[in-house]
Amino acid sequence: GGIITQTPKFLIGQEGQKLTLKCQQNFNHDTMYWYRQDSGKGLRLIYYSITENDLQKGDLSEGYDASREKKSSFSLTVTSAQKNEMAVFLCASSLDGGNTGQLYFGEGSKLTVL
Amino acid sequence: GDSVTQTEGQVALSEEDFLTIHCNYSASGYPALFWYVQYPGEGPQFLFRASRDKEKGSSRGFEATYDKGTTSFHLRKASVQESDSAVYYCALGDSSGSWQLIFGSGTQLTVMP
Repeated sequence: GGIITQTPKFLIGQEGQKLTLKCQQNFNHDTMYWYRQDSGKGLRLIYYSITENDLQKGDLSEGYDASREKKSSFSLTVTSAQKNEMAVFLCASSLDGGNTGQLYFGEGSKLTVL
Repeated sequence: GDSVTQTEGQVALSEEDFLTIHCNYSASGYPALFWYVQYPGEGPQFLFRASRDKEKGSSRGFEATYDKGTTSFHLRKASVQESDSAVYYCALGDSSGSWQLIFGSGTQLTVMP
């Protein structure tokens, strides 16, 4: 088996601050994802990457940057944190994409902006 | 674009009750359909999938049947347990061919002993 490790687990920031979340996977999967989870809104895709150095925007990419420098890691940057923002960011990986395969998720990183 | 609708935001049941969580989708062709379950403090876990009309997916006593005619993939379980309390997400594989899953808004299931 494998595991998705997200760091940090909890992140507290100030309004306007740039904040970075990191994700590591040891499944040797090609595709990685960042989803944002808000209560009552489900999971919304921010960015995904189908291979090293590839980046694809999801529906919620505005206000975020991403980086996939290695196959095993995928980072997400909140470019300017919004006051009173609270959300959980979920990283996931899959062997062959969302249509034919299944996604494996990390436990999430909870963001609070003061 | 493609979308998934879960009509129940919260469902409260007693142990041994029958469960139905409704999921309807909007997409062209035959997208793969999925159910995921998320326990407190954890990420969502794959439950099962189906990819063609009338195909039944199942796992851990849960099941759902792909219905192209009604564009539905409703989750059912005959007898729920307290340990089934979790958030359940219906999802579909993007029919445009991109490598992403589109999730519904989730249904919080609470099962009382």
